Amino acid sequence: QKEVEQNSGPLSVPEGAIASLNCTYSDRGSQSFFWYRQYSGKSPELIMSIYSNGDKEDGRFTAQLNKASQYVSLLIRDSQPSDSATYLCAVNNNNDMRFGAGTRLTVKP
Amino acid sequence: NAGVTQTPKFRILKIGQSMTLQCTQDMNHNYMYWYRQDPGMGLKLIYYSVGAGITDKGEVPNGYNVSRSTTEDFPLRLELAAPSQTSVYFCASIQTQTYGYTFGSGTRLTVV
Repeated sequence: QKEVEQNSGPLSVPEGAIASLNCTYSDRGSQSFFWYRQYSGKSPELIMSIYSNGDKEDGRFTAQLNKASQYVSLLIRDSQPSDSATYLCAVNNNNDMRFGAGTRLTVKP
Repeated sequence: NAGVTQTPKFRILKIGQSMTLQCTQDMNHNYMYWYRQDPGMGLKLIYYSVGAGITDKGEVPNGYNVSRSTTEDFPLRLELAAPSQTSVYFCASIQTQTYGYTFGSGTRLTVV
């Protein structure tokens, strides 16, 4: 069974802090990795994609990938109340995209 | 550019009824997917299509059927609705496997 595991949270951080979201996956053949943000009652929206080991930065977001450890993370710097949402990790291997259950993040003003 | 459009947004079905969830994309994407999302659970793949005329089962296909007669449309059919099919359904599409999905706005289905 191909699994994607995330801490369900809730993760609570104060405004301006760094939020760190983690994800592990079981399929060693996975090739592409994604983070989606999902506001309550809305559909997921893609915020980051990463394909090779290391860090990828986009604005306040940094995705980190370690294929040897089968670990993906998302850092959100200078967290804002508008970042409060559920963050879904997704892992793709040859058209088999698996999603984690999501981590609920709350950013407190 | 509408992206991925799903209809209806909400629906209540009685046990044993049937319905079709519509999904249309205007981005000329080859790949289309149907997922369901239950509270506290990840998205589970129901069916997917890699192009017109080609469909395949995902993790949880039982109780559902799909067709892909055109690149744009990928309807999901529920036959003999059961309470276990109460969920939020998302349609998604991508052009190639390298990119993340574009999701529709979802259909919230309740079977009573």
